[in-house]
Amino acid sequence: DTGVSQDPRHKITKRGQNVTFRCDPISEHNRLYWYRQTLGQGPEFLTYFQNEAQLEKSRLLSDRFSAERPKGSFSTLEIQRTEQGDSAMYLCASSHSGGGKNTEAFFGQGTRLTVV
Amino acid sequence: GNSVTQMEGPVTLSEEAFLTINCTYTATGYPSLFWYVQYPGEGLQLLLKATKADDKGSNKGFEATYRKETTSFHLEKGSVQVSDSAVYFCALMGGSQGNLIFGKGTKLSVKP
Repeated sequence: DTGVSQDPRHKITKRGQNVTFRCDPISEHNRLYWYRQTLGQGPEFLTYFQNEAQLEKSRLLSDRFSAERPKGSFSTLEIQRTEQGDSAMYLCASSHSGGGKNTEAFFGQGTRLTVV
Repeated sequence: GNSVTQMEGPVTLSEEAFLTINCTYTATGYPSLFWYVQYPGEGLQLLLKATKADDKGSNKGFEATYRKETTSFHLEKGSVQVSDSAVYFCALMGGSQGNLIFGKGTKLSVKP
């Protein structure tokens, strides 16, 4: 297993366009997280899944954002009608939860979104 | 809800100096605590962790002890190197929430 992978690594889009990012977690991990990170800030939680169920969504996740994990493996994050304020690094992480324990989260390299 | 507060940077030290980066947390229940590091141009990597009170996490010469009485998880290293220059993030998971919550990060620069 090569770890958490994200695609694409970079995306430049025009304001108003829709974009979709993909995350492939570590294969035995049942939890998958999405975060957003802007320059000089810590990662901000957006949402997370346990298997295919979306268990929590941050108030940061406006109606223009939607995330899916249809088969409990890879996940997609879609941003509709992008705005310049959406420019950020979007990070995906995965971990395993079970038996009352959580492993640490492993992060992908991120997708850097630039909205022009 | 859960939150993490860590000292603001940037922190600039000379090689071989002692490092402390303070981190305190607010959480219900019994969270796990983490330090992540982000080297220039790279992704977030786990540096160390502690899952219960009085546990000490350690890695690469860095240490942090889970202090429930002071709700703290301060990062320390006795002798920093230039290669330790990075941004360090304190984080917690668990308690009443299932997601990982980060502090704002502390940028460390080590000069030769």
